Amino acid sequence: AQKITQTQPGMFVQEKEAVTLDCTYDTSDQSYGLFWYKQPSSGEMIFLIYQGSYDEQNATEGRYSLNFQKARKSANLVISASQLGDSAMYFCAMTGNAGGTSYGKLTFGQGTILTVHP
Amino acid sequence: NAGVMQNPRHLVRRRGQEARLRCSPMKGHSHVYWYRQLPEEGLKFMVYLQKENIIDESGMPKERFSAEFPKEGPSILRIQQVVRGDSAAYFCASSPQTGLSQYFGPGTRLLVL
Repeated sequence: AQKITQTQPGMFVQEKEAVTLDCTYDTSDQSYGLFWYKQPSSGEMIFLIYQGSYDEQNATEGRYSLNFQKARKSANLVISASQLGDSAMYFCAMTGNAGGTSYGKLTFGQGTILTVHP
Repeated sequence: NAGVMQNPRHLVRRRGQEARLRCSPMKGHSHVYWYRQLPEEGLKFMVYLQKENIIDESGMPKERFSAEFPKEGPSILRIQQVVRGDSAAYFCASSPQTGLSQYFGPGTRLLVL
């Protein structure tokens, strides 16, 4: 079974500063994928960034980067130069390759609410 | 290039009625996933389908819930005899193949009175 843990229920950051959202995971799979999604107050789920377990370099997408530390089983999201529009709920998620038929399904953490102050 | 479409966006049902939620995946995507988000919680996997096949329904409640993805038309999540505990946001996601990034629809907010 896979498990995602997000220990920060809420985070605050000043506009234009960087912020790190924590995510740790637990899995017995050798191959897996790690994802971050943003859910603004409007409710939609927006894909932000993906990291494969065999990727040697940390993933980056614009102001988002994923700090992947495989030995520590952590996949923290770093948002640089925060903007007011970054205020939202952020979910860490993972898929696995358990050798079964459903390694595509996502397991989500509980989420972190990020508030960006002007 | 339309994204994942879900309708209706909001659905109100009385206890005992049926709810039908529709999902049209992105063009070229043949893998569909349904997730449920209860208030103040993260998303929980319900079912994974490919065209005409249910691949994994391990997250579906054993009774009253069913899903299909016919050869033609959208995927349907059907909830029979709804109860208040079914009130939640139901999200559909699609991907071109399993293991790749899933793109979510806007969700259907179901409210059971």
